Amino acid sequence: EVQLVESGGGLVQPGGSLRLSCAASGFTFSDHYMDWVRQAPGKGLEWVGRTRNKANSYTTEYAASVKGRFTISRDDSKNSLYLQMNSLKTEDTAVYYCAREASYGDYGRDYFDYWGQGTLVTVSS
Amino acid sequence: EIVLTQSPATLSLSPGERATLSCRASQSVSSYLAWYQQKPGQAPRLLIYDASNRATGIPARFSGSGSGTDFTLTISSLEPEDFAVYYCQQRDTFGQGTRLEIK
Repeated sequence: EVQLVESGGGLVQPGGSLRLSCAASGFTFSDHYMDWVRQAPGKGLEWVGRTRNKANSYTTEYAASVKGRFTISRDDSKNSLYLQMNSLKTEDTAVYYCAREASYGDYGRDYFDYWGQGTLVTVSS
Repeated sequence: EIVLTQSPATLSLSPGERATLSCRASQSVSSYLAWYQQKPGQAPRLLIYDASNRATGIPARFSGSGSGTDFTLTISSLEPEDFAVYYCQQRDTFGQGTRLEIK
């Protein structure tokens, strides 16, 4: 059974830092691109960023809203995904989900097929 | 950057009725579009990929159609557990969601 379990959320002051973790199990973690998606209270889903797999040099991409402040990394030996968040702003308050990308269909396009339960980050003074 | 616009924002229907949700892309995305369901306090769940293919375990009452810029998610006969928020998604972009509520 595929499982993704986030941890590390909490209350942090504006300008502060926080590191989220996502522990994966039930699949070959190293094969997959992994993403972070967030959801502000009462709002919709916003993609934060992704890390590709080793075959694609672990390259990363970020949403414009977090680029330069957030860093995604992974440790395939620990089946873990991380999100380092620096210079946090009040607008970063959200539930943060890790999500697995997997290829589907005749064209092999990637979709988010498994999600964790999320961890809440609150940025407030 | 592609923008996805969902309509309506809220849809009020009764169990047993047919639901039709719309997602419009600002430029053609071919059939590269997914639909997700999210219930309160839960993570999103993949329903439909490549515009019209049901994900594993998704009931047949859910169907997707469309290509290019206009897409539709149809729920043929609403069950009580179907009342939730639905999002369309194309790569790194999500629509703003449609809330399906009980009338």
